[in-house]
Amino acid sequence: SQQGEEDPQALSIQEGENATMNCSYKTSINNLQWYRQNSGRGLVHLILIRSNEREKHSGRLRVTLDTSKKSSSLLITASRAADTASYFCATDAKQAGTALIFGKGTTLSVSS
Amino acid sequence: EAGVVQSPRYKIIEKKQPVAFWCNPISGHNTLYWYRQNLGQGPELLIRYENEEAVDDSQLPKDRFSAERLKGVDSTLKIQPAELGDSAVYLCASSLDRGVRPYTFGSGTRLTVV
Repeated sequence: SQQGEEDPQALSIQEGENATMNCSYKTSINNLQWYRQNSGRGLVHLILIRSNEREKHSGRLRVTLDTSKKSSSLLITASRAADTASYFCATDAKQAGTALIFGKGTTLSVSS
Repeated sequence: EAGVVQSPRYKIIEKKQPVAFWCNPISGHNTLYWYRQNLGQGPELLIRYENEEAVDDSQLPKDRFSAERLKGVDSTLKIQPAELGDSAVYLCASSLDRGVRPYTFGSGTRLTVV
């Protein structure tokens, strides 16, 4: 089963523009993580935000978390063609003994 | 350090045939995961190991899927017999433990059942 739902499913932008992806989830979490997947490759961890954090930055990435709305957003600023990939949110549920649950992902296309 | 290594990268088999995937996690990572990713979807957990013990296999179709992690290091995932619906990418990941750790994924094995 997939807990997270990303929105939009697909996003096309020009280089230099910002890209925002949203994630909604269903159950209480310990933390939420974002991963990137280039075509034909495995997933790469981007950033982790704990349930008691509201915002986190890493380079051109900005993640927000609203536990009251059970939602998160990933902002990529000044997008580059190399950012073209699929982006997944993954939740670490508070329920003991669970592995990360991934959403369906947002496919980002950045054209030069 | 070497990442998570999976082999083969691609596999094409006829339905009803057996197939096996192999994963070598990052050295020292106690927790190992097998995920299946269908086209256009996110990864879905099949099984999780803590060292050599399978601690979560509730999503593993046990009638045809089996997995093992001997000595708590390498792991194999087997399907026998394969069905057309098993076509997917099989991803292996590892982490230091089940705590607040990011996962490191391998490149996956793309299985096509014809």
